[in-house]
Amino acid sequence: AQSVAQPEDQVNVAEGNPLTVKCTYSVSGNPYLFWYVQYPNRGLQFLLKYITGDNLVKGSYGFEAEFNKSQTSFHLKKPSALVSDSALYFCAVAGYNTDKLIFGTGTRLQVFP
Amino acid sequence: DAGVIQSPRHEVTEMGQEVTLRCKPISGHDYLFWYRQTMMRGLELLIYFNNNVPIDDSGMPEDRFSAKMPNASFSTLKIQPSEPRDSAVYFCASSLGTSIDTQYFGPGTRLTVL
Repeated sequence: AQSVAQPEDQVNVAEGNPLTVKCTYSVSGNPYLFWYVQYPNRGLQFLLKYITGDNLVKGSYGFEAEFNKSQTSFHLKKPSALVSDSALYFCAVAGYNTDKLIFGTGTRLQVFP
Repeated sequence: DAGVIQSPRHEVTEMGQEVTLRCKPISGHDYLFWYRQTMMRGLELLIYFNNNVPIDDSGMPEDRFSAKMPNASFSTLKIQPSEPRDSAVYFCASSLGTSIDTQYFGPGTRLTVL
């Protein structure tokens, strides 16, 4: 069975500092990995995905994520955080033989001025 | 394209009443997903459709919940009778194809059952 874990309920970072939001996964075969962001009272918005190819994936709003097969991780990163990045971030995984995405529990990112 | 459209955005009802949530997916998308989000359980997949056919409804919590997709541009999620524990935000999402394709979410319907 596929699963995804986001070990941190909340991440706090000062504006201008780099940020990392962690995600680990478990899936049979090659994983398809996604990051979504949710702003208050809004639906989830797609940030980036890894299907195959380069382990470093670049996405919207300056975010990127690194796929690490040996550590089964897909951490979300940004070199310089903005206050406007404060939101709820979800990691999700799908296996190649399924149509379903399994979402993590979410990590709340708080960027302080 | 206007994106995924959901209605109503907010619904307040009393226990025992029937509730119908509506979704219009992005035109051309073959997959439609219904999710429920609560603080306690996070984001749960309830059911999904491919080309208007329900594929997996294993996430539907009880027989009180039912979903239909009569055509490619419309789906409903119905709760009858509603209970206070059904209070949540319900999201509809659509995608072009299988698991590698991005899901696009609607703004959600916030349901409160008193």
